[in-house]
Amino acid sequence: SQKIEQNSEALNIQEGKTATLTCNYTNYSPAYLQWYRQDPGRGPVFLLLIRENEKEKRKERLKVTFDTTLKQSLFHITASQPADSATYLCALRNSGNTPLVFGKGTRLSVIA
Amino acid sequence: NAGVTQTPKFRVLKTGQSMTLLCAQDMNHEYMYWYRQDPGMGLRLIHYSVGEGTTAKGEVPDGYNVSRLKKQNFLLGLESAAPSQTSVYFCASSYSWAQETQYFGPGTRLLVL
Repeated sequence: SQKIEQNSEALNIQEGKTATLTCNYTNYSPAYLQWYRQDPGRGPVFLLLIRENEKEKRKERLKVTFDTTLKQSLFHITASQPADSATYLCALRNSGNTPLVFGKGTRLSVIA
Repeated sequence: NAGVTQTPKFRVLKTGQSMTLLCAQDMNHEYMYWYRQDPGMGLRLIHYSVGEGTTAKGEVPDGYNVSRLKKQNFLLGLESAAPSQTSVYFCASSYSWAQETQYFGPGTRLLVL
């Protein structure tokens, strides 16, 4: 069966450290993968998109990698701040005409 | 631009009652989506629309109906609410299938007693 798994429900990290979140998938052939941020009581907000032929994407303190051999995407926040505390969702678009599929999210807490 | 707005923000229903959730977007997006989000289940797609007058089923469509009579609006209906439909509902829109950055509304919290 098809699965998209974010293998940590919650992650606590010290301010200033790099947070690394993982997204693994099974039985998908993603055309691209996205990462969203969701704050409590709000809708998700798009952060980054990485395509199947891209290894890495960066945006300010954010970095996403995509390894189609390992079937995994890693999401990094460098120099993390308490304001980075939120739930982060990965989502993938399978090849073919199918809608975006979301993982369950990882709740990140950055402790000052 | 308001982006994606949802009405109402919160609603309590009794089992068997009906209601309609309204989603509106002012970005001229072709694609619109309804999701529900439950603890431990993540975001699950209920229905979506690839243009005015079109709708399609998502992962969990049972118990819901949708309509897209105008490009900017996407309505989600519950004909006979059940406690299992207690959830937070999010509407989203995107410009196209290929450029599918989704823009989400603030959510509607629904409690069915």
